[in-house]
Amino acid sequence: DADVTQTPRNRITKTGKRIMLECSQTKGHDRMYWYRQDPGLGLRLIYYSFDVKDINKGEISDGYSVSRQAQAKFSLSLESAIPNQTALYFCATSDAGDGDTQYFGPGTRLTVL
Amino acid sequence: GENVEQHPSTLSVQEGDSAVIKCTYSDSASNYFPWYKQELGKRPQLIIDIRSNVGEKKDQRIAVTLNKTAKHFSLHITETQPEDSAVYFCAARPYNNNDMRFGAGTRLTVKP
Repeated sequence: DADVTQTPRNRITKTGKRIMLECSQTKGHDRMYWYRQDPGLGLRLIYYSFDVKDINKGEISDGYSVSRQAQAKFSLSLESAIPNQTALYFCATSDAGDGDTQYFGPGTRLTVL
Repeated sequence: GENVEQHPSTLSVQEGDSAVIKCTYSDSASNYFPWYKQELGKRPQLIIDIRSNVGEKKDQRIAVTLNKTAKHFSLHITETQPEDSAVYFCAARPYNNNDMRFGAGTRLTVKP
C-alpha cells in the first residue's frame, strides 16, 4: 500500500550503533504500529501508538524506543543495535472507525553485524 | 498475554484442491481474528477477518470459521490457484488492549 512508506528499505549497521527507522502515512489514520518479522516466528508487535500523545509497549519492546512526531509519522529507534535485532521491520497503520484493519508498509530489512 | 499457534507450517496442494489452515488462541478476551497473506518479498495484506460475534465469514473462495468455545479458527481456501501461493498468518487481538499476536505462518504452495 503506497500510503504507508518506510525509510530506509535496507540498512546494514554495526553492533553498538544507534539507528532510526522511519514510517510515514498519508491515510489519515490515528493508530500506528511497529512489528518485527523473523523466520518461523511470524510478526511480533514492538510498540504501538493510538495518537500523538499515546505510546504503548508491545510484546517485545526491550531494546527499542519510539517517537510519534506527528499523526503521520512514527519512528522506531535502536539505541545500541545488537546482532539479534537483525530482522525485517514493518510499520502498520489502522483506523478504529474502519474496523481497525491494519495496513502495512513495505518493510525495512535491517542487518546488524 | 495471548498466544497463537498455527498449523501446518507448510502446506502443498494441487491446483483446484482446497486448503485449510488452523489456528488456536489462548486468551478468551480475544475478539478479533484477521488473516494476512504475504507474498514473497511483499508486505502482509489482510485477506479476511472475523469478529467473535459471528461464527463464519465468506468472501468468494476464502472463508474463515471461528469456534469460541474451543478457541480455534480456521482459514479455508477453495479451488486453489497458483497465485494463492504465499505465507498466510493468523492473528488474535483481545478486546481490552491492542496487542495483536500473530501465528508463526503457513507457507502454502499450489502446484499447477
